[in-house]
Amino acid sequence: AQSVTQLDSHVSVSEGTPVLLRCNYSSSYSPSLFWYVQHPNKGLQLLLKYTSVATLVKGINGFEAEFKKSETSFHLTKPSAHMSDAAEYFCVVSVPYNTDKLIFGTGTRLQVFP
Amino acid sequence: NAGVTQTPKFQVLKTGQSMTLQCAQDMNHNSMYWYRQDPGMGLRLIYYSASEGTTDKGEVPNGYNVSRLNKREFSLRLESAAPSQTSVYFCASSELPGSGGLAGKTKNIQYFGAGTRLSVL
Repeated sequence: AQSVTQLDSHVSVSEGTPVLLRCNYSSSYSPSLFWYVQHPNKGLQLLLKYTSVATLVKGINGFEAEFKKSETSFHLTKPSAHMSDAAEYFCVVSVPYNTDKLIFGTGTRLQVFP
Repeated sequence: NAGVTQTPKFQVLKTGQSMTLQCAQDMNHNSMYWYRQDPGMGLRLIYYSASEGTTDKGEVPNGYNVSRLNKREFSLRLESAAPSQTSVYFCASSELPGSGGLAGKTKNIQYFGAGTRLSVL
């Protein structure tokens, strides 16, 4: 069965410092993996997606994630946090061959301090 | 570009009341989904529709019904609301069902509406 585990429920960083949001996945197949971001009282927006073409995936707003099969990880990083990055981030795996059903992690809330 | 539109944005119900949450997408997507979001639990799939005229249960379907009215619209109905259904509800759509291979994987991105905040007293 597919699942994702987000290792931190909250992460706090200072503006200008690096961001690391951790995600481990479990999948019987070659997975599609996503990171979505949700700003307060908003819907979810796709940050980036892994489609097995390249292990390092670049997304919007300077975020990137690296797929590491040996570690079953898909951590999200950004070199320098901005105040506008404060939001909740979800790591997501898709159930293959079955109409795109998504399995969501429980989310990581990112706080950015000035 | 409207994308996925949900109505209403907020709703308060009394236990036992019924209501329908509306969702419409203008991206000509085939698949549509209803999720609920509860604190500390991420999003959980309630129902989905892979194409017009078809619907299937997700992870948490009890207490809900859905209708895929046409390709654009996918509604979620609570027949007799319960306090446990207090949540934020999200509708989403994607271009095609996942069919394996790279083509399927590049088309299974889901686009979300802004959500409906429902409180059941």
